[in-house]
Amino acid sequence: QVQLVESGGGVVQPGTSLRLSCAASGFTLSNYAMHWVRQAPGKGLEWVAVIAYDGSYEYYADSVKGRFAISRVNSNNTLFLQMNSLRAEDTAMYYCARDRLDIVATIPDYWGLGTLVTVSS
Amino acid sequence: AIQMTQSPSSLSASVGDRVTITCRASQAIRNDLGWYQQKPGKAPKLLISVASSLQSGVPSRFSGSGSGTDFTLTISSLQPEDFATYYCLQDHNYPQTFGQGTKLEIK
Repeated sequence: QVQLVESGGGVVQPGTSLRLSCAASGFTLSNYAMHWVRQAPGKGLEWVAVIAYDGSYEYYADSVKGRFAISRVNSNNTLFLQMNSLRAEDTAMYYCARDRLDIVATIPDYWGLGTLVTVSS
Repeated sequence: AIQMTQSPSSLSASVGDRVTITCRASQAIRNDLGWYQQKPGKAPKLLISVASSLQSGVPSRFSGSGSGTDFTLTISSLQPEDFATYYCLQDHNYPQTFGQGTKLEIK
C-alpha cells in the first residue's frame, strides 16, 4: 500500500535552514507528481509546492517562493523540501502527498502523517 | 493567486441531517476542484476530485457539484464519523489554493 513518511522537522531559530525528507513506498515514485502541504497549529491547510514526476517543473506558494525548494531523487524513492530563511510564520505541520493521477499533476491524494517544524527564538 | 472562499466557516448539525458546504472561486476554474475531510490530528483525506467525482471507498452520501466559480459539497445523511473539518482545493492555476475550511460539529 502507498506509504509516505516525512522526517527532518524540529525546532529551529528564525533565519536558519531545514531540509525535510519524505520516504515513499508502495508505488513507483517516478510516475507521480508530489506535493508539500502545511498546516499551522490550529489553522487551515496551505498548499506549499509541487514537483513534476520527472522533476521537470516546480511551482510554489507565494509565501515560500524564493526561500523553499522542492526536489526529488526517484532512484531513492525520496522527496525533499529545502527550507531557507525560516520565519516564525513557517511554523507548521508539513505533509508530503502523492498526486491523485500518474504523470500529470493534479491534486494531492495520499498523504503522510506529517513532520512538525517550529521556528522560534 | 485564486482565492477560495468557503461558507459557512462552521456548522452545527445532527446525525441524519443533510448538509451543504459551499466554495466560491475568485475566478472561473472549470471543474478543477477537490474536497477533503480532515479529522483532528490526522492527515486530510480526499473525498471528491474534479468537482463531482467520488473517490474510491468514499461513501455515496458524499457528493459534489458545480463548475466555474461556485461549488458545493453535500452530505445527504450525516453519520457520526462525518464530524470533521472540510476543505476545498483548486488546481486550475498555480499556486493551488485551499478554502479556509468548514468545521462540522455535532448539534
